[in-house]
Amino acid sequence: SQQGEEDPQALSIQEGENATMNCSYKTSINNLQWYRQNSGRGLVHLILIRSNEREKHSGRLRVTLDTSKKSSSLLITASRAADTASYFCATGIQGAQKLVFGQGTRLTINP
Amino acid sequence: DADVTQTPRNRITKTGKRIMLECSQTKGHDRMYWYRQDPGLGLRLIYYSFDVKDINKGEISDGYSVSRQAQAKFSLSLESAIPNQTALYFCATTGTSAVIGTGELFFGEGSRLTVL
Repeated sequence: SQQGEEDPQALSIQEGENATMNCSYKTSINNLQWYRQNSGRGLVHLILIRSNEREKHSGRLRVTLDTSKKSSSLLITASRAADTASYFCATGIQGAQKLVFGQGTRLTINP
Repeated sequence: DADVTQTPRNRITKTGKRIMLECSQTKGHDRMYWYRQDPGLGLRLIYYSFDVKDINKGEISDGYSVSRQAQAKFSLSLESAIPNQTALYFCATTGTSAVIGTGELFFGEGSRLTVL
């Protein structure tokens, strides 16, 4: 099974609401990253959190990391229609120097 | 111009044909990656390279080969394409950091391959 598993697979909310996506992983990591993908386009990096960090903010994004539970969450506050996209977590595997991606969460923001 | 350029963007081919997907980057990064994306499976790593003389297999390298022609160029080949290689292929690049491990990946726009 994948190193990163995301939950939920799909999420549909109203504009202005907050969206929360979760990611769980199995092995030790150096960092965990979140990416966004608009339909059929390349992935765009959103935020990176190191294994010794617990929370990080970037604009309307808030990421938490719990290494004891091997899980992370991405919170998008005050969602906008333009936030509609797929969101992927990617784990930087310790000692492997590569990123392993989860299956993604498809987020739909309804106007 | 894009930092990471993939060609072709779309390709339809037939079973048994040899296909090459090309990637070039202007980021000056050492590390380059090829990923494959299938619906519901996320991105899976095919091959990656840390410099011109360093090529590594990813989790799904069977049926694929790569060539790192220069620091800025990394191509992916399908020697004899088959229908289950129909997918969206992404090239990505990143710099080196001993502190944080693999850093932010910069992706190309993807190459959509259809094998009939």
